[in-house]
Amino acid sequence: DTGVSQDPRHKITKRGQNVTFRCDPISEHNRLYWYRQTLGQGPEFLTYFQNEAQLEKSRLLSDRFSAERPKGSFSTLEIQRTEQGDSAMYLCASSPRVRQTYNEQFFGPGTRLTVL
Amino acid sequence: ELKVEQNPLFLSMQEGKNYTIYCNYSTTSDRLYWYRQDPGKSLESLFVLLSNGAVKQEGRLMASLDTKARLSTLHITAAVHDLSATYFCAFSIIQGAQKLVFGQGTRLTINP
Repeated sequence: DTGVSQDPRHKITKRGQNVTFRCDPISEHNRLYWYRQTLGQGPEFLTYFQNEAQLEKSRLLSDRFSAERPKGSFSTLEIQRTEQGDSAMYLCASSPRVRQTYNEQFFGPGTRLTVL
Repeated sequence: ELKVEQNPLFLSMQEGKNYTIYCNYSTTSDRLYWYRQDPGKSLESLFVLLSNGAVKQEGRLMASLDTKARLSTLHITAAVHDLSATYFCAFSIIQGAQKLVFGQGTRLTINP
């Protein structure tokens, strides 16, 4: 499978615990995005990487959230001291640099987080 | 404020009928995207619309873009049950991250 992959697919945790999610983009894609989707809503942008550089972060990304993309390949999203309001689907998307693709973003299957 | 409004949010229709989903967006953009999402699944890219007057068709779905009106439409022709899903439109700002700004989605249910 050459699409975007995410791990784990589901995560249940207790409030106050830390969690980390992983995203593996399509191999030739240099742009990587994280979005969050809550029930009945569209995805909301969290952060963006071009290669290994994190170039933009949403105001939604509080200090408890941190994202990395070492070596410009896979990315991790960590949430510290989880809260019930963090329960959502976390989606990763990637897109290639090639201009002709007009930044069409390809989404992974998502990680569904439930905070008890 | 960057905003996308979809209309309707819920749509129940019979097989064989035609209908249109509307997507209004708040700022100048010449990139409009349509995605499909099945329950519990991720988003599947359907169309990328790049210029005023652009029209794209795939099977029973046709999308169009009017950048002057900041309006895109997704038209469903002779609906079939397999098209039941949630449909999202999104636009992107050309500068910077080119992040996608999504609407709330239209939950489409097609009944036999």
